[in-house]
Formats: sequence, C-alpha cells, structure tokens
Amino acid sequence: QAGLTQPPSVSMGLRQTATLTCTGNNNNVGSRGAAWLQQHPGLPPKLLFYRNTNRPPGSSERFSSSRSGNTASLTITGLQPEDDADYYCSTWDTSLSAWVFGGGTKLTVL
Amino acid sequence: QLVESGGGLIQPGGSLRLSCAASGLTVSSNYMGWVRQAPGKGLEWVSAVNNGGNTYYADSVKGRFTISRDNYNNTMYLQMNSLRADDTAVYYCAKLETTGYDFDFWGQGTLVAVSS
Repeated sequence: QAGLTQPPSVSMGLRQTATLTCTGNNNNVGSRGAAWLQQHPGLPPKLLFYRNTNRPPGSSERFSSSRSGNTASLTITGLQPEDDADYYCSTWDTSLSAWVFGGGTKLTVL
Repeated sequence: QLVESGGGLIQPGGSLRLSCAASGLTVSSNYMGWVRQAPGKGLEWVSAVNNGGNTYYADSVKGRFTISRDNYNNTMYLQMNSLRADDTAVYYCAKLETTGYDFDFWGQGTLVAVSS
C-alpha cells in the first residue's frame, strides 16, 4: 500500500525552527489531514497532533501543525535537545481503505 | 494502558498469537489496531478492528493474520500464521481516537523475530 512522503532527514540548530513536511494525495492528507507522531529510540511512538491540528493534553506548545492541499506540516520552534527524534505522519486513505504512514523524518538538533 | 505480549523467535512458516491487554479503556468501544516496525525501519500499519467489529488488514498480511478481541478480558489479539522473515518487527498495539482516523495511544510493543 502506498504511503505518505516525508523527507528522510532534517538538521537544524539549537533554538532554531524546524518544519517537517508530509505529502499525500486527495484520498488521504488532502481529505483527512494527518496525525503527527514523535518517536525516540527504543520507545513507542507518541502522538503530537491528531485530526491535523488537534493537540492532545500535555503536548508542548512549541509544536504546531498545519495543512495546505495535500501536504501537512509540523513546525517545531525553539528546538531543544529532546526534540532530536524520528517524526512520522499518518492518516486514513479512503481509496485504499487502509491506514498509511510516512517513511519518517529523522530530526537532528545540532 | 496497553500491554502487548506473545512475541518471540519463530521459524518461517510458523504461527504466533500476540495479545494486547487494555486497562483504563474498553477495547470493544474503541477502534484498535496493530502497527509494526521492522528493525531500523519506519512504521507500517498491519490490522485494525472498529467498535462495530469490522476488521481491516494491510495487503502484506491479508489471509495470514487475523485480528480479534475478547470483550470479557478486554484484550485484543493478532493471530499470525505462515510467518515470513519480512514479518520480523516490533508489533505495537494502538488505540485510535474517536473518529477512527488517527492512532492516539500506543503500547510498548512486542518483538517478533522470524528466523530459522
């Protein structure tokens, strides 16, 4: 099943701003938006946003999300060492009748 | 809390049943699913069941894996048959949020290694 497209890696400096992208099509991101997940090595994924822009309780306000057409974006401001992690987008694909994930972006905080 | 169990080392062609015991939520009232992550790779959706009991499978496991739930024990299962080397992964149990589109809560995962 086809997935969503994310850049494999992004590197930004401490206290800078990083924007990660997730590109799909009209059957997934374009119609449903996306969720964003953060994963540190050896740990399960943690939800950052669901239904595109909904933030679960306890999620840092340094993270924000948006969508334009078939591309969802996650923006992290004031980068901290703990933001160094893998980030995944996911959503439901109405054409495939399946949940799809992006390949993940490794964010390195320099 | 979601706690997975049942993983281990299994030979190709073998079978395993994974369990996901839930506490603090009712399995039968929620969309629930399994997502796996091969070593060093990204997340891959495997299977899901909605609160009406409808089941969904990724093409890669259709016909080999079966998802089910035990409402009395508040547990979800993944029966995995005809296992292959490319099924090797950490298998996560996850709950979906109320619309059923996004995975919002994850277990710690259980490792399945398929090797001779």
